[in-house]
Amino acid sequence: GAGVSQSPSNKVTEKGKDVELRCDPISGHTALYWYRQSLGQGLEFLIYFQGNSAPDKSGLPSDRFSAERTGGSVSTLTIQRTQQEDSAVYLCASRRPIGGPETQYFGPGTRLLVL
Amino acid sequence: RKEVEQDPGPFNVPEGATVAFNCTYSNSASQSFFWYRQDCRKEPKLLMSVYSSGNEDGRFTAQLNRASQYISLLIRDSKLSDSATYLCVVITDSWGKLQFGAGTQVVVTP
Repeated sequence: GAGVSQSPSNKVTEKGKDVELRCDPISGHTALYWYRQSLGQGLEFLIYFQGNSAPDKSGLPSDRFSAERTGGSVSTLTIQRTQQEDSAVYLCASRRPIGGPETQYFGPGTRLLVL
Repeated sequence: RKEVEQDPGPFNVPEGATVAFNCTYSNSASQSFFWYRQDCRKEPKLLMSVYSSGNEDGRFTAQLNRASQYISLLIRDSKLSDSATYLCVVITDSWGKLQFGAGTQVVVTP
């Protein structure tokens, strides 16, 4: 497809389990961002990738959160030992290389519910 | 204090009327400014960028006041389809990460 895709669209897990969320950016978009939107909260930045490297991980809330990107394309956000406060919509966005247009295109998100 | 602040609303607007709302940002080094629109349970989508001289896109007009550090959005001739949450977004750093306000809810009524 032409847009950013994310999977799964919904994930229900038990507290303490690990989850992996996947993002497929738009082809050619070297910059990739993860955000999350908790109920009643605004969107907050988690991590930024330029190619396969992550120069800004400042938004990751704890060391239970990690992310990687391979081949300059697909990215995976992993949450270990999930907690109930991790319940949120996790959104991925991509854009053309830094220096180009700043518009970020968002995927539909993964709704995570931790029971 | 949050980096980007918005009135959460809701702004209840009769169809055909005009509505305007503001957003303030705290970092004077902010470089780029946008309005995104988010429909219920959907991802945010870019509505328009905001330029220093102000800009218009159809029924939508955006203004930037750097001295007072606020951005505004005005919607003329409101349509039912304009009902959504409008997110004020600012870029402050060189990585381009977006800083979002909590959003202003607009409800257009028949």
